[in-house]
Amino acid sequence: NAGVTQTPKFRVLKTGQSMTLLCAQDMNHEYMYWYRQDPGMGLRLIHYSVGEGTTAKGEVPDGYNVSRLKKQNFLLGLESAAPSQTSVYFCASRPGTSKGDTQYFGPGTRLTVL
Amino acid sequence: QQQVKQSPQSLIVQKGGISIINCAYENTAFDYFPWYQQFPGKGPALLIAIRPDVSEKKEGRFTISFNKSAKQFSLHIMDSQPGDSATYFCAARRTSGSRLTFGEGTQLTVNP
Repeated sequence: NAGVTQTPKFRVLKTGQSMTLLCAQDMNHEYMYWYRQDPGMGLRLIHYSVGEGTTAKGEVPDGYNVSRLKKQNFLLGLESAAPSQTSVYFCASRPGTSKGDTQYFGPGTRLTVL
Repeated sequence: QQQVKQSPQSLIVQKGGISIINCAYENTAFDYFPWYQQFPGKGPALLIAIRPDVSEKKEGRFTISFNKSAKQFSLHIMDSQPGDSATYFCAARRTSGSRLTFGEGTQLTVNP
């Protein structure tokens, strides 16, 4: 069991460039989440999904898009990167309501936008 | 709107001492309160969690104290060790909800 994996681990972008972050989980979890972590601001939810083919907005969704075409994968896209999107991005997954409360986090992707 | 407020932002404790981190919440619909531990360069991992039907939960050296009337909960780390040095996040969620709301985080340093 690899758990939750994230690709890539590091990335540097120029303002206006686009990229996609990939999250994969092998635990057959229903729920998946994308967070960003910034100093002094905790973990803020960007988007989440409660099942294959579903997505929903979190606290800070602007500038990001997501897709959940397969149950095991959750993609986070930045269409036109901005310096304010410099952050560490974490993906997490959870079994689903009544099946477990624990969210399992990936190792993170450190993104710098110049 | 920050629904979960965490303090202090940073904490330095001597080895063997007690570390105390506090959180306060606003939403009375919250009824699941976990604490996550994050080491540098790693993702957060669940440390311990509590539901409001009990006032305290203990797992080894880690204890959550919960005060429903005050809408506050805290993490106590007894006999703190240098290996406990990490960032700690409190969080809250409604039972029927799918989203966690996190506090701002506390960076704990335990000096040898």
